Amino acid sequence: NAGVTQTPKFRVLKTGQSMTLLCAQDMNHEYMYWYRQDPGMGLRLIHYSVGEGTTAKGEVPDGYNVSRLKKQNFLLGLESAAPSQTSVYFCASGQLARETQYFGPGTRLLVL
Amino acid sequence: QKEVEQDPGPLSVPEGAIVSLNCTYSNSAFQYFMWYRQYSRKGPELLMYTYSSGNKEDGRFTAQVDKSSKYISLFIRDSQPSDSATYLCAMSEGKGGGADGLTFGKGTHLIIQP
Repeated sequence: NAGVTQTPKFRVLKTGQSMTLLCAQDMNHEYMYWYRQDPGMGLRLIHYSVGEGTTAKGEVPDGYNVSRLKKQNFLLGLESAAPSQTSVYFCASGQLARETQYFGPGTRLLVL
Repeated sequence: QKEVEQDPGPLSVPEGAIVSLNCTYSNSAFQYFMWYRQYSRKGPELLMYTYSSGNKEDGRFTAQVDKSSKYISLFIRDSQPSDSATYLCAMSEGKGGGADGLTFGKGTHLIIQP
């Protein structure tokens, strides 16, 4: 039981490049989330999903897209990376009708 | 207006001391309260989970919730250098996840001096 895993662990992009961050969970959780964490800003919700095939916007969705084609996977895409998207990205998952979330180890992204 | 307030620290205490970490909140609808521990360059891990008011104890950790004062606390007894981390409080109205899932504090950086 690996919990929540994220790939890659670290990535450097140039402005304008695109990339996809992958999150996988093996706990059969309905809910999945993408956050970014920046110094002094705390965790901010980017997008979330309440089930396979569904996605919704969180607090800071601009510049990101997501997909949940399989229940266990949640992808975060950056179509045209900007330096403001330099951050640490965390994926989390949670159970239906439970209030706790379980986090992955994070992806550190640097956009030059 | 920020929903959850948490002193960022750093809070530095000697090994063996009792540590008190706190959060205040403004939303009286919050019912579920959590504490997460985050080591440097790692993801947050769930430490304590409580529902409504009262105390919950787990080993050296005690979580307290005072809904009348909109104030939650995490106490760490016999603190160890391995407790050095950032502690985030989180809370929820209990609507079952989604965008109404969790509201996080920004975290308190705790340092336990050997």
